[in-house]
Amino acid sequence: QVQLVESGGGVVQPGGSLRLSCVASGFLFDDYGMHWVRQAPGKGLEWVAFLRYNGRSQYYGDSVKGRFTISRDNSKNTVLLQMDSLRIDDTGVYYCAKDSARIAGQIGPHYYYMDVWGKGTTVTVSS
Amino acid sequence: QTVVTQEPSFSVSPGGTVTLTCGLSSGSVSSSLYPSWYQQTPGQAPRTLIYSTNSRYSGVPDRFSGSILGNKAALTITGAQADDESDYYCVLYMGGGIWVFGGGTKLTVL
Repeated sequence: QVQLVESGGGVVQPGGSLRLSCVASGFLFDDYGMHWVRQAPGKGLEWVAFLRYNGRSQYYGDSVKGRFTISRDNSKNTVLLQMDSLRIDDTGVYYCAKDSARIAGQIGPHYYYMDVWGKGTTVTVSS
Repeated sequence: QTVVTQEPSFSVSPGGTVTLTCGLSSGSVSSSLYPSWYQQTPGQAPRTLIYSTNSRYSGVPDRFSGSILGNKAALTITGAQADDESDYYCVLYMGGGIWVFGGGTKLTVL
């Protein structure tokens, strides 16, 4: 079945860096865009970043733009989130999610939603 | 800055019907923003419920439905059950590869 497994979370000091990984299985990873979504403790969900199926276009939420980088290694069915210049308010659970559209809507329709979610990995930024 | 608005909390009686809404701080929500809805219980990952305004995701019971009501997207739960007690989030696609979540609605079934 379709599965996403995140890893790489941990405790880091403000200003530090961390790299999250999400390994996908059960679908043609190369054909789908991937998202990162986060949730601060006791708060709501926040969209962080999106990477197209071919890795050529990346998009970011305003709060992480210029500090986070989303990338993918299709040979390893993995999407990455490199987080630099971390701040205390980056603390939270980070989920990766599969975009619903296959090859950006070139095969089938594009309805612009996240259809499958991982269980998340926890990032704590603290001194 | 785009702000997607949701009711912070709502309550419904078991068996009752509740409609949660998803609006914009400036402007109207239409189907062209492809509103989608997600359910999340504490400590769990989100679960996809509704996409493209009113399409039910695979395996989602038909007591969940989506629509546009006035200038907002809406999620209606008909015949609410105890295990519907969760947080519900809408997401709007703003174009240009950007998505924005609403703040979420905490639904209590009592």
